[in-house]
Amino acid sequence: EPEVTQTPSHQVTQMGQEVILRCVPISNHLYFYWYRQILGQKVEFLVSFYNNEISEKSEIFDDQFSVERPDGSNFTLKIRSTKLEDSAMYFCASRRTGTDEKLFFGSGTQLSVL
Amino acid sequence: AQSVSQHNHHVILSEAASLELGCNYSYGGTVNLFWYVQYPGQHLQLLLKYFSGDPLVKGIKGFEAEFIKSKFSFNLRKPSVQWSDTAEYFCAVNAQSGGYNKLIFGAGTRLAVHP
Repeated sequence: EPEVTQTPSHQVTQMGQEVILRCVPISNHLYFYWYRQILGQKVEFLVSFYNNEISEKSEIFDDQFSVERPDGSNFTLKIRSTKLEDSAMYFCASRRTGTDEKLFFGSGTQLSVL
Repeated sequence: AQSVSQHNHHVILSEAASLELGCNYSYGGTVNLFWYVQYPGQHLQLLLKYFSGDPLVKGIKGFEAEFIKSKFSFNLRKPSVQWSDTAEYFCAVNAQSGGYNKLIFGAGTRLAVHP
């Protein structure tokens, strides 16, 4: 089965530093998402991306966050100035179409902000 | 606002016991419903889904779920659990917003199955 790939699997950073989390969605998918899961809490929607622009974002996705599809394969999440509360598992996901039933998740990047 | 509630945060069972995990959602429109599982150290995997038709849906690994529209519920069941079912289970609703789709997750239920 095709997979969504995320790198790195674990990233440690200092508060105030910029981080970029990388994702390679499945090649024929058109809709891309970032979710996060703070330890012990539920999985939260961050942002959805289609046709090279953000289609929806949550309240969590403030000006410190940005997403980009720099080429035909990668989909990145950037946090400009990390805070302690950004520590979480970040999941990338993709879907073939907007109504496709199955959302494919990556294995996640554990971000630890010290 | 759209939301998903999972009633049990932690469930502990012995092998062969029956399982039922509750899930209720709050959304007035047409919904697609999912259960995902996350085994320790692994990524989320789709267990089963409901889009339309028979409200009793069967998924992988012997799991099933029943959509009861009048109760806004989509409870997950398994008649006899195994130790390997130890995982966290997430109910999710696919809601439309502004023409786009997103998944809204419940807080999750941690299931521990003892041999």
